[in-house]
Amino acid sequence: GQSLEQPSEVTAVEGAIVQINCTYQTSGFYGLSWYQQHDGGAPTFLSYNALDGLEETGRFSSFLSRSDSYGYLLLQELQMKDSASYFCAVRDGAGFQKLVFGTGTRLLVSP
Amino acid sequence: DTGVSQDPRHKITKRGQNVTFRCDPISEHNRLYWYRQTLGQGPEFLTYFQNEAQLEKSRLLSDRFSAERPKGSFSTLEIQRTEQGDSAMYLCASSLVDGIEQYFGPGTRLTVT
Repeated sequence: GQSLEQPSEVTAVEGAIVQINCTYQTSGFYGLSWYQQHDGGAPTFLSYNALDGLEETGRFSSFLSRSDSYGYLLLQELQMKDSASYFCAVRDGAGFQKLVFGTGTRLLVSP
Repeated sequence: DTGVSQDPRHKITKRGQNVTFRCDPISEHNRLYWYRQTLGQGPEFLTYFQNEAQLEKSRLLSDRFSAERPKGSFSTLEIQRTEQGDSAMYLCASSLVDGIEQYFGPGTRLTVT
């Protein structure tokens, strides 16, 4: 089976940098994804790491260490609109593409 | 709007009734997924289609649940003899063949009374 652990809540102020960690245990691993979900909204894709290292997309970066079964999402220059839940997810199986999600981290950005 | 759409957005039903939800994926996406999400949890995989073929079904999905994707276009998810534990948000997503970026619809919120 698979399990993913994330902190339940993180708080930060506008303009700051925040890191959301994710550790996973999987029977197979085919990449780590990050999704953002605002209250009442649909999850939206942020990033994907298949290989070790850092992927940067604008203010958001994602890191993966397969040897440590660990990844993180880094959000820079925080804005109020970044207040949302953030989920890490692993792809389960090379042929099948289902995502197994963590329980999510609620990010609260204050002025 | 070229995103994933779901209908209805909200459904209230009485225990024991059958319900059916519809999902229209992004037109060029051949992969379609159904997830269920309860408050404070991440989406939980239910089933997955590639074109019209249902390739995987979660062990958590009882035989009261059935999904179809005729002609590889829209999909329906039916829940028979609903139970209060079925109350959740039902999310549909679609993707290209690589499955890396899944586009989610707004969901159907089911309340079983």
